[in-house]
Amino acid sequence: SQQGEEDPQALSIQEGENATMNCSYKTSINNLQWYRQNSGRGLVHLILIRSNEREKHSGRLRVTLDTSKKSSSLLITASRAADTASYFCATDGNTNAGKSTFGDGTTLTVKP
Amino acid sequence: DAGITQSPRHKVTETGTPVTLRCHQTENHRYMYWYRQDPGHGLRLIHYSYGVKDTDKGEVSDGYSVSRSKTEDFLLTLESATSSQTSVYFCATGAGAAGANVLTFGAGSRLTVL
Repeated sequence: SQQGEEDPQALSIQEGENATMNCSYKTSINNLQWYRQNSGRGLVHLILIRSNEREKHSGRLRVTLDTSKKSSSLLITASRAADTASYFCATDGNTNAGKSTFGDGTTLTVKP
Repeated sequence: DAGITQSPRHKVTETGTPVTLRCHQTENHRYMYWYRQDPGHGLRLIHYSYGVKDTDKGEVSDGYSVSRSKTEDFLLTLESATSSQTSVYFCATGAGAAGANVLTFGAGSRLTVL
């Protein structure tokens, strides 16, 4: 079964708006990562947050991690049409370090 | 996708035939992985390797085998393809930094089993 579950499954917004995606997981982790996948392409790493971190920023991306709730969120600010893609969270658990477990993803559509 | 090459990128085959997918990396990463991606299931780990000739099973390994004879090559074999193995297969590599194994993905191989 999948470790991470993203919510919502699909999200549609206008350009310039913020997009928030959530990820919940079941077991303790070393770190949590977010990846982007454009249609027909491989996944691209966006950001990694370690289990002892609560928030991390990279450009227009902001990731939070709440280990007590076993959840993470990815915020994309001032979205652009080029942000249209699927976004996946992946966890690297304490018991299987090196094997990332992916959620089912959130499909984001940003309308120009 | 730079540094990871998957071949073939597209393949159509018939049920019962063997199929081998190849992943070649120039990243010199220790870890290599094969995932499959199906609609509604995200990515699921098939097999992975933590070094030359060192491999282990993932979540959905039945019907698949792997081999890694060189650091740069990781082969995925479907011994006798079935329609349920129609999927997009992704190879990934990771340097394996402690607590921070960031994955680099190939472009994917789309397999259709008729």
